[in-house]
Amino acid sequence: DSGVTQTPKHLITATGQRVTLRCSPRSGDLSVYWYQQSLDQGLQFLIQYYNGEERAKGNILERFSAQQFPDLHSELNLSSLELGDSALYFCASSVAEETQYFGPGTRLLVL
Amino acid sequence: GQNIDQPTEMTATEGAIVQINCTYQTSGFNGLFWYQQHAGEAPTFLSYNVLDGLEEKGRFSSFLSRSKGYSYLLLKELQMKDSASYLCAVRDSGAGSYQLTFGKGTKLSVIP
Repeated sequence: DSGVTQTPKHLITATGQRVTLRCSPRSGDLSVYWYQQSLDQGLQFLIQYYNGEERAKGNILERFSAQQFPDLHSELNLSSLELGDSALYFCASSVAEETQYFGPGTRLLVL
Repeated sequence: GQNIDQPTEMTATEGAIVQINCTYQTSGFNGLFWYQQHAGEAPTFLSYNVLDGLEEKGRFSSFLSRSKGYSYLLLKELQMKDSASYLCAVRDSGAGSYQLTFGKGTKLSVIP
C-alpha cells in the first residue's frame, strides 16, 4: 500500500458524459501527478500540481481538467467522453520532486 | 522531447538472472527510475539512479551510464511473482518541472 488513495476503483459511463476522479496523496506529499494508461500507449503523463498550483502539463486533452484543493487532494475531470478515453487513470504523489508513489488507479470504461 | 526504448517482452526461468535494458534520449536528465507493475495494478517503485554506476537492493540492481543514455535492471534468483511489467522512466528537469516520462514497459514472464 503506497498510501495514495483513489476513488472510484471502477467507473462505467457513456460517451458524451462527464466524470470526476479523486485522489488523496500520501500524508506530507505536496505534489500530485495524473497519468493515463491505455493498452497501446503505456503510462502517459497528464498533469502535475504542487501545493495547489499547476506545475506541469503533459499530453492532457482540452476536454480534461484537474485541480488540487487546499487539503492537497486532487480531482481529474473528464468531459465529453469518447470511447478512446477508456483507460486506467493513475494518480501519484511525491514530497516536492522526489520519488513518485502511485495510487491503485481508476479503471474507466466508456461505452 | 524524450525517447525511451526497452524490449517489449522477455521470458526467463525461475531461479535465473535476467537483465532488462533501457535506452533513453533526453534534453535535461535528472534521474532514472524503475517501476514494477503487475497487470491491472499500480506501478511500484523499485530503484532510482542519478549518478553512473550500480545501485543494489536485495535481489534487484539497477545500473546507469549517463554518457551512453543507458540503464539496466538486473533481477536475481527469479521468482514466479516477479512476472510483471517493468517500466523505465526518465526524469527531465528541462521544462522546469521534474516530470517522469515512461517507456512502454517490458513484460517479463517467469517460467518454472
